[in-house]
Amino acid sequence: QVQLVESGGGVVQPGRSLRLSCVASGFDFVNHGVHWVRQAPGKGLEWVGFISFDGRRDYLGGSVRGRFTLSRDNSKNTLYLQMDSLRDEDTAVYYCAREGLAGTETWFDPWGQGTLVTVSS
Amino acid sequence: QSALTQPASVSGSLGQAITISCTGTSSDVGSYNFVSWYQQHPGKVPKVMIYEVNKRPSGVSNRFSGSKSGNTASLTISGLQAEDEADYYCCSYGGYSTSSYVFGTGTKVTVL
Repeated sequence: QVQLVESGGGVVQPGRSLRLSCVASGFDFVNHGVHWVRQAPGKGLEWVGFISFDGRRDYLGGSVRGRFTLSRDNSKNTLYLQMDSLRDEDTAVYYCAREGLAGTETWFDPWGQGTLVTVSS
Repeated sequence: QSALTQPASVSGSLGQAITISCTGTSSDVGSYNFVSWYQQHPGKVPKVMIYEVNKRPSGVSNRFSGSKSGNTASLTISGLQAEDEADYYCCSYGGYSTSSYVFGTGTKVTVL
């Protein structure tokens, strides 16, 4: 079945870096763009960014632009979220979510199970 | 970009219909038919219920419907059931100038 599995979360000090991965299976990964969405503990959802099917287009939300970078390796069915200069407010569960239909990036389905990033000294 | 505004909570009795509003601006909700809705049960992963304002993905009950008027989108749940108790979030495309997306503040639905 269609599945996305995130990994790479953990505890990191402010100012340090972390790289998250999202491995996809069960669908034609090379034809789908993917979003990242995060959720701080007990809070709502926040869109982080999107990378197109071929990696040529990527967009990031204002709160992470300039610190986070999106990339993908289609030969490995894997996406990456490189997070630099981490701040306390980046503490959240990070989800990767596929665009609902190939070429229609405007909705997210399915979602991975999420990976928790805790930024703390 | 500011979060879309949703009521913090909405409640209804079994079998009733409820509506959740999602208010944005003319730059997001008002300009594009790219509003989606997500259901999230406690400790679970969000699930899409509606996309492109009023389209239902395969497998989603037809008790869920969406609409939009001006800068406000709405999700209606008819025939409320116990399993509908969850948090609901709207999401809108934020425009070509920003190529971003914005979520709503979230609504807790309680089934009485």
